[in-house]
Amino acid sequence: KAGVTQTPRYLIKTRGQQVTLSCSPISGHRSVSWYQQTPGQGLQFLFEYFSETQRNKGNFPGRFSGRQFSNSRSEMNVSTLELGDSALYLCASSSSPGGEQYFGPGTRLTVT
Amino acid sequence: KNEVEQSPQNLTAQEGEFITINCSYSVGISALHWLQQHPGGGIVSLFMLSSGKKKHGRLIATINIQEKHSSLHITASHPRDSAVYICAGYNTDKLIFGTGTRLQVFP
Repeated sequence: KAGVTQTPRYLIKTRGQQVTLSCSPISGHRSVSWYQQTPGQGLQFLFEYFSETQRNKGNFPGRFSGRQFSNSRSEMNVSTLELGDSALYLCASSSSPGGEQYFGPGTRLTVT
Repeated sequence: KNEVEQSPQNLTAQEGEFITINCSYSVGISALHWLQQHPGGGIVSLFMLSSGKKKHGRLIATINIQEKHSSLHITASHPRDSAVYICAGYNTDKLIFGTGTRLQVFP
């Protein structure tokens, strides 16, 4: 089976812009979670989706949003980018919510 | 105080040594995950457990639900085990992460 894929892998944006990141889960996995990793805060939970429904959202401002499509692919969007949004954004898929997480390679976002 | 705490933060070992990384949590969880992250960012799931003990090769993970504590053991450590090890508890539909333990194993 192909692993979790994320696009793009690297992204440079300017403050105030918006960005959309994409995640394709392992075939058959219906649960997708998103995480932000920074040197200062470590790994933090962003969202969990299952069957197109957001089950939970982490402690992030409303500028962070996401969705999941009927084929289980997921996107996350960050609007009005701030310098502090620079991070590695990871998605992980699992067969069920809270199940063993299979991580993608991440998207490294740099905001200048 | 973080809801998931790990110790130690940094660990160095000589090849062949037995290694233990500890994880304590203060919230109710339905499962405890152990993850490995190598330099460059890739994260691999090592274990997911909700009770007892699991073993995979030289890695062993245990969890004590009553004491809210989990341990990851590496037997006969090897330089390729050098990585950051992260524990995470699944609580109310989200993973709560520990801060990670950076392990360096020297030949």
